[in-house]
Parts: sequence; structure tokens; C-alpha cells
Amino acid sequence: ETGVTQTPRHLVMGMTNKKSLKCEQHLGHNAMYWYKQSAKKPLELMFVYNFKEQTENNSVPSRFSPECPNSSHLFLHLHTLQPEDSALYLCASSQDLGRLYEKLFFGSGTQLSVL
Amino acid sequence: QKEVEQDPGPLSVPEGAIVSLNCTYSNSAFQYFMWYRQYSRKGPELLMYTYSSGNKEDGRFTAQVDKSSKYISLFIRDSQPSDSATYLCAMSTDSWGKFQFGAGTQVVVTP
Repeated sequence: ETGVTQTPRHLVMGMTNKKSLKCEQHLGHNAMYWYKQSAKKPLELMFVYNFKEQTENNSVPSRFSPECPNSSHLFLHLHTLQPEDSALYLCASSQDLGRLYEKLFFGSGTQLSVL
Repeated sequence: QKEVEQDPGPLSVPEGAIVSLNCTYSNSAFQYFMWYRQYSRKGPELLMYTYSSGNKEDGRFTAQVDKSSKYISLFIRDSQPSDSATYLCAMSTDSWGKFQFGAGTQVVVTP
């Protein structure tokens, strides 16, 4: 295990539902990330938090709402999603930002299907 | 044009063969390069990282960077069935962690 835990592993939701993805890291890291991985496409960085403060929002639609209550926990709140939002959502953490060879530790992801 | 291009595969090789993977990129400012391995239903894990040009070796893995050609490679010697996975390249203009990923190459090593 990488020390980054994501729940749930699988999620099926309708376009009118509201759900949340959870990520927890046990590594003592200060930076946390949300990535989207669609089939045959590159990983897309969505959000970055450093010391609980959001430092990056990569032009993500407002139907995705992140929350970082502390350095160990990260949430992604979902509402009124579209079928094209179906993907694997990966959480990652790293020791800090701005360090040489910053190493990302990924969770196993939440496979999301929007019907 | 995508910023980072990677052949999706699948690349099928017999056990013991050398696996050769590569990525091309368009941004000449990239100077930090990484390779991640992703097993099915798992998140990516860092395999190797290199800075600027040159080679780096770690056990059965060798990473090469050719900045003049905007081309990076990963070689896996004496491949094993356990090397079957998707390999992602990633690169950045700075070190803080905002990497551009390739789409990944699926590798299948057959016994």
C-alpha cells in the first residue's frame, strides 16, 4: 500500500445525484492532489492543495468542488455530473511543493460511472 | 498537437526480452522527467526520475533523456510477467510537481 487511501473504490451515480469522494494519507505529507484519468487519455491535474490551501484549480467545472479540512484529508464533492465525467479519479500526495524531484504517491482511485 | 505523446500499445513481449518504451514531447522547457508504472485497478507508482539529459540506471530499468530530440525512453531488461502494467511518462518545466503526463503504454510480458 502507498499510504494513500481512497473511498469508495467504485461509484455509480445519476446526473442529479450528489456524492463525495474521500482521500486520506498517512504519510505526513503537506501537498495533496486530485487527478482525473480517462481511458486512453493522459492524467489531468484538477486541484492542488498545499498546507490545506488550494494552490491550483486547473479550469475544473464547478460541478466538482474540492475540500481540504486538514493536510491528511481531501474530498471531492460531486453534483449534477455529466456522463463524460465518468473516469478514474486519483488522489495523490507529496511531501511538499517546490522540492526537487517531488514524488507523488497515488491512491488506487475511485472508478466513477455517471449514468 | 499533444504536449506529450506516448504510444498506447499494447506492447507484447516474451519473458526475458527487453521492453523499450518512449515518449516524445513538444515543450523544450521540460527538464524534469519521470516514469510511473500503473497496475490494473491501482494508482501510478514512481519508477524513475531524471533531470535534463543523460541516462540513469536502477536495477533492470534504464531511463534515457535526449533533449535535443525531445525524446525520452525507458528500457526494462530481463522482463518478467510482473512487469505487465501501463507505463506513464511525466515531465515538467520545474520541480514543484505540476507534471504533464503521457496517456500511457500498456505492456504485456508473456511467460
